[in-house]
Amino acid sequence: DGGITQSPKYLFRKEGQNVTLSCEQNLNHDAMYWYRQDPGQGLRLIYYSQIVNDFQKGDIAEGYSVSREKKESFPLTVTSAQKNPTAFYLCATLSGTGGYEQYFGPGTRLTVT
Amino acid sequence: AQKITQTQPGMFVQEKEAVTLDCTYDTSDPSYGLFWYKQPSSGEMIFLIYQGSYDQQNATEGRYSLNFQKARKSANLVISASQLGDSAMYFCAMRGGNSGGYQKVTFGTGTKLQVIP
Repeated sequence: DGGITQSPKYLFRKEGQNVTLSCEQNLNHDAMYWYRQDPGQGLRLIYYSQIVNDFQKGDIAEGYSVSREKKESFPLTVTSAQKNPTAFYLCATLSGTGGYEQYFGPGTRLTVT
Repeated sequence: AQKITQTQPGMFVQEKEAVTLDCTYDTSDPSYGLFWYKQPSSGEMIFLIYQGSYDQQNATEGRYSLNFQKARKSANLVISASQLGDSAMYFCAMRGGNSGGYQKVTFGTGTKLQVIP
């Protein structure tokens, strides 16, 4: 099946630890995105990548890091520098040719205590 | 920088009635795209409708239509004949804009729609 996989669905970490969220796609889409959503809030762009080995900061990149070594994968690391990491994280992709809507993964709910 | 504004945090509509969800945007770039997504309580994001900045006609998809007023920079979503299953968060989003390239996609804060039987 074509789609976007985010794992795990729920993630718990202690404060001060770095944690990496996985996002894998088999849609052959060029662009990939990470968004953060807080309860009752909209989606805020953390990072996005238009091609392999290239990525740009979104509106709330502080405390996060990404890599794009393969077209299929765009992992997000939430570092200890992120002051309020508890949130719902959504990964999305966008076709570089023809298509115009984003496809979203099921999300990872991160809780840091 | 591009900006999306949704001024209605919550809306109520009677079942079978039509409802309009507001969205305004701000960009000086002539090339952009506008989207609407639905997010039920399950958290999944469901694509509803798309409007390109150069499209001459308003987009429609079944019960959804996008009222695109370019000069006013508004892209309101109209849902006709509301159903109970339409109760969800609705997000307006824009692709492209002043900075970040055409692949940058940013979202508004959303409108929570509740359909009353």
